[in-house]
Amino acid sequence: SAVISQKPSRDICQRGTSLTIQCQVDSQVTMMFWYRQQPGQSLTLIATANQGSEATYESGFVIDKFPISRPNLTFSTLTVSNMSPEDSSIYLCSVGQGGYNEQFFGPGTRLTVL
Amino acid sequence: AQKITQTQPGMFVQEKEAVTLDCTYDTSDPSYGLFWYKQPSSGEMIFLIYQGSYDQQNATEGRYSLNFQKARKSANLVISASQLGDSAMYFCAMRENFGNEKLTFGTGTRLTIIP
Repeated sequence: SAVISQKPSRDICQRGTSLTIQCQVDSQVTMMFWYRQQPGQSLTLIATANQGSEATYESGFVIDKFPISRPNLTFSTLTVSNMSPEDSSIYLCSVGQGGYNEQFFGPGTRLTVL
Repeated sequence: AQKITQTQPGMFVQEKEAVTLDCTYDTSDPSYGLFWYKQPSSGEMIFLIYQGSYDQQNATEGRYSLNFQKARKSANLVISASQLGDSAMYFCAMRENFGNEKLTFGTGTRLTIIP
C-alpha cells in the first residue's frame, strides 16, 4: 500500500493569507486527489491533481482559490488562498492506482483560520 | 439526490457485541466500487474494506465484513466482536466510472463502544 505524508500536519493562519499544503507519496501513482472536510462534516472532493496538466476542479471549487500543482507522479501541492475562517477544515490528499481495490489517504492537514 | 446515504448519525454498542453500520447508494453505472473508512479523532482516514459491483462474494477483512445487497443498493459494514478502539467516525464511499478514482462520501456514522 502507498505511504502518504502531508506537510504541515496542522497550522493556524490569519485571514487573508495563503497556505500551501504538500502531499508526498512513496511510489508513483496515477491519480491524486485533494479533499476538504469541514468541521463535523463529511469529505468533499476539491479537485483531481493531474500530472503535467491543470487540475480538474469539482463544482464549487475554483483554481484561483485552490491552486494545485503536480510536478511529478509522487508529489502534489494544494494552496488555500486568501483564507477566511470558513476555510478552517481538514485537507486530505488521496491516491488511487487505477482500478485497484484500495484508495489511501494522507494523515491530513488541520487548518484553522482566525 | 444523495449518492451515498448513511442514516445512523450515531450508534452506541456494548463492547464485544457485533455492530452493523448502514449504507445505501444510488448509481446507474454498472461498474462501481464501495469503500468503508474509519476516522478516529486524530482525523486520519483509515481504509477498512472494499466491495466491487461485480464481486460475487461479500468482502471480509479480519473483523470487518461487508453485507452487499446489490438489488437493494446497500453495502452495510459489519464489525464483529467490537472493541473500545473501534470508537470512531465511519464513512461509506462510492467510486463510479471505473478508471476515475474519485470517491463520493456519505455523511458518516459516529460509533461509540461502551465498556
